[in-house]
Amino acid sequence: RKEVEQDPGPFNVPEGATVAFNCTYSNSASQSFFWYRQDCRKEPKLLMSVYSSGNEDGRFTAQLNRASQYISLLIRDSKLSDSATYLCVVNEQDSNYQLIWGAGTKLIIKP
Amino acid sequence: NAGVTQTPKFRVLKTGQSMTLLCAQDMNHEYMYWYRQDPGMGLRLIHYSVGEGTTAKGEVPDGYNVSRLKKQNFLLGLESAAPSQTSVYFCASSYGAGKYQPQHFGDGTRLSIL
Repeated sequence: RKEVEQDPGPFNVPEGATVAFNCTYSNSASQSFFWYRQDCRKEPKLLMSVYSSGNEDGRFTAQLNRASQYISLLIRDSKLSDSATYLCVVNEQDSNYQLIWGAGTKLIIKP
Repeated sequence: NAGVTQTPKFRVLKTGQSMTLLCAQDMNHEYMYWYRQDPGMGLRLIHYSVGEGTTAKGEVPDGYNVSRLKKQNFLLGLESAAPSQTSVYFCASSYGAGKYQPQHFGDGTRLSIL
């Protein structure tokens, strides 16, 4: 099985801090990359797609490093509501575009 | 504004019983998926469908069957439930499966097999 690996955490971060975590993937042919957010006992929800040039959405920045085969997510000025599990997802062209999901990184923002 | 709807939300079964999980989407998506999520693991694809009348096996298809008779519905069946099938099941749909085609999820079915 192709793998997507994440540090499970939890990352305990004070409110207002900046936090970053990475995700590594094993298939160099991977085409698309996403970050999803999953709240406790809820469904995953798309946070952002990760483009080759990197992209930003408000306080969130995603980067792709193809040479080292990892993607990263940076959260600035963290809010209590950012507490969740962040799932790294990779779309592999050679598997009929099936998504491969990481197990997630748990983030806890403390007041 | 329903999106993806799963029924039931909770179910407890005895070993050997059968049941069907229903997924319905109102976004006219071609692709639909069934996943299971277990503690400490990423979502694993059970079966998927690329259009009405088609289905395909995912990573963990054994013990499950699916049907896509209508574009908006994707059914997941457990023929003879086993304790190893205790899990949270998510249905998802997407417009396509190319680059940057995100999947939209239902809110899950929590299934316990005793």
